Parts: sequence; structure tokens; C-alpha cells
Amino acid sequence: EAQVTQNPRYLITVTGKKLTVTCSQNMNHEYMSWYRQDPGLGLRQIYYSMNVEVTDKGDVPEGYKVSRKEKRNFPLILESPSPNQTSLYFCASSFSRDTSYNEQFFGPGTRLTVL
Amino acid sequence: GEDVEQSLFLSVREGDSSVINCTYTDSSSTYLYWYKQEPGAGLQLLTYIFSNMDMKQDQRLTVLLNKKDKHLSLRIADTQTGDSAIYFCAESNGVTGGGNKLTFGTGTQLKVEL
Repeated sequence: EAQVTQNPRYLITVTGKKLTVTCSQNMNHEYMSWYRQDPGLGLRQIYYSMNVEVTDKGDVPEGYKVSRKEKRNFPLILESPSPNQTSLYFCASSFSRDTSYNEQFFGPGTRLTVL
Repeated sequence: GEDVEQSLFLSVREGDSSVINCTYTDSSSTYLYWYKQEPGAGLQLLTYIFSNMDMKQDQRLTVLLNKKDKHLSLRIADTQTGDSAIYFCAESNGVTGGGNKLTFGTGTQLKVEL
């Protein structure tokens, strides 16, 4: 089954304790992206990756890191989480063809609480 | 930068039509999308429309695009309780953020009452 998986689905942690949220897709997509969803703000892009070893900042990258060592995986790293990073996080992936519609597939979400 | 706006809430009776509206600012938008988010779930693509179209129909869903006014709407005919969810409008212009970046609206919470 074609899908985007995220782990963990729920996480409660404390300020300053490094954490990683994993994201994996099995569709051989080049493009992967992380979004955070906050009430009244919709989804905002954190980082994206056009392909292996190619990453770039989205709209709200502060406090986050990403890596893309393999095509299927795109982990989101919070080196020193703070309470303002409490949010619902979504990973998404798609093909990256210049001239055609590229549907983005979303993972189920990771609800993070930073105390 | 790009901006997409939606009203936050809509309440309808079961069997009525629902109309969810969205306005956007990016005049170079290529595709416009409607995503559905059910409680505790991820986003599911409902439908999309290319910017050179003004209408698209898919079963109970009708998307209308007024490119001049930068206004997008989603009409759900015969709304059912299973349609209760948050609906997000989104746009992409094929250039920003590597070409695939989606700019989302705030989401509209649709509540369907019996």
C-alpha cells in the first residue's frame, strides 16, 4: 500500500530534550516536506527536500533541522525543543515533475507536546 | 508572500448543500486544492482545479474558481454527517519552495447537524 508513515504518532517531552520524528514514504517520491498545523493558522511549511541531500527552509524553519540521506526517509529533528513547538506535525511527499500536477500525500500526523 | 484565507466555521443541516469559500492572493497560482481532515487523521486530497478552469465537478463536489477575484469555493451537495471535518483550501504556483510547496488556508470546520 502506497503511504507516508510517521513515528511517533504522539509524543510528550520536556524543554531542551532532543527528539526526532521520523517520516518514510514507499512511493519513490523525490519531494518531501514537513508542515506544522496550529489552530487558526492552517499548515505552515517547515522544511522541504527536492531529492537526496537537497534540503531547504520553508516558512517556519527556526528550531528545526532535517536530513535526507535516503530517498524514502526525511526525519525532523528538534535539537532543543521549546513549548512554542507544541503542535501537530505532518510529513508529505510527492513526485517532482516540472510540467505536471504532483499530488502530495500526507502522513497521519505527529502530535507533539513540549512541557 | 502568498496568502490564503477561509472562514473558520460552517454549520449546515444534513441533506442541505454546504459551500466553503476561500480567497487567495497569489496571481501565479497554478493549482488550487481542497483537502479534508477528519478528527485525528491526516489530510486527504478531495479535489483540485487547474487555474485555467473555472469549474470542476466530481460526484457531490463542485469546485468553482473565479480567477479574476481570486476566489475558490467548494460546494458539497446533500451534505452528510460523514462530511463533518476541517476543509483546507491550498494553492501552489509551481515555483515557490521547489515547485511543490502548498500554501494552506486556516481551514474551515464544517459541522453537519441532524
